[in-house]
Amino acid sequence: EVQLVESGGGLVQPGGSLRLSCAASGFAFSSYWMHWVRQAPGKGLVWVSRINGDGFSISYADSVKGRFTISRDNAKKTLYLQMNSLRAEDTAVYFCARVPRSGEFDYWGQGTLVIVSS
Amino acid sequence: QSALTQPPSASGSPGQSVTISCTGTSSDVGGYNYVSWYQQHPGKAPKLMIYEVTKRPSGVPDRFSGSKSGNTASLTVSGLQAEDEADYYCSSYAGNKWVFGGGTKLTVL
Repeated sequence: EVQLVESGGGLVQPGGSLRLSCAASGFAFSSYWMHWVRQAPGKGLVWVSRINGDGFSISYADSVKGRFTISRDNAKKTLYLQMNSLRAEDTAVYFCARVPRSGEFDYWGQGTLVIVSS
Repeated sequence: QSALTQPPSASGSPGQSVTISCTGTSSDVGGYNYVSWYQQHPGKAPKLMIYEVTKRPSGVPDRFSGSKSGNTASLTVSGLQAEDEADYYCSSYAGNKWVFGGGTKLTVL
């Protein structure tokens, strides 16, 4: 059974940093692109970032470029999102998701809540 | 990146059909057949309902169908059931980025 479990969310002050993790199980982790998608309270889904299977191809949404860094450890089957220079508008539930070559988000984690507030 | 355009709400009575549109540009919806649809119930993670415009994952009822014409994709839910009441989001590959629609709240009257 495919499982994705996010962790690392919490309350952080503006300008602070946080690292999210997504532990994967039940599939060949290194064979899949992995993504982060966020959802602000009461709002819609917003794509954040993606990384390919070997970690050498990465892209970001313009809103987080230069502040967030996506990475993965295939030995640990874990995806990461390092978030720096956090802003109030980064407040959201952050989901990790698996994406096969056909481009859809076929499995999602349960999400982890990040609140940026003083 | 601009979000894809969806109507904020849609509704129908049990047994009826409803169609939700998703309008993008030639750089996303119109340029690729990588359009997908997601159902999200309150407090839950999104669930994949349609991928590659028209394909249904295993376990998704055939009441859900997808299509595309030009820069607009559509999700049709036939034979509406109470459990279909949820938020629905479209998504498209957009050339090394992905974009979502703003979401449509489907109400079963």
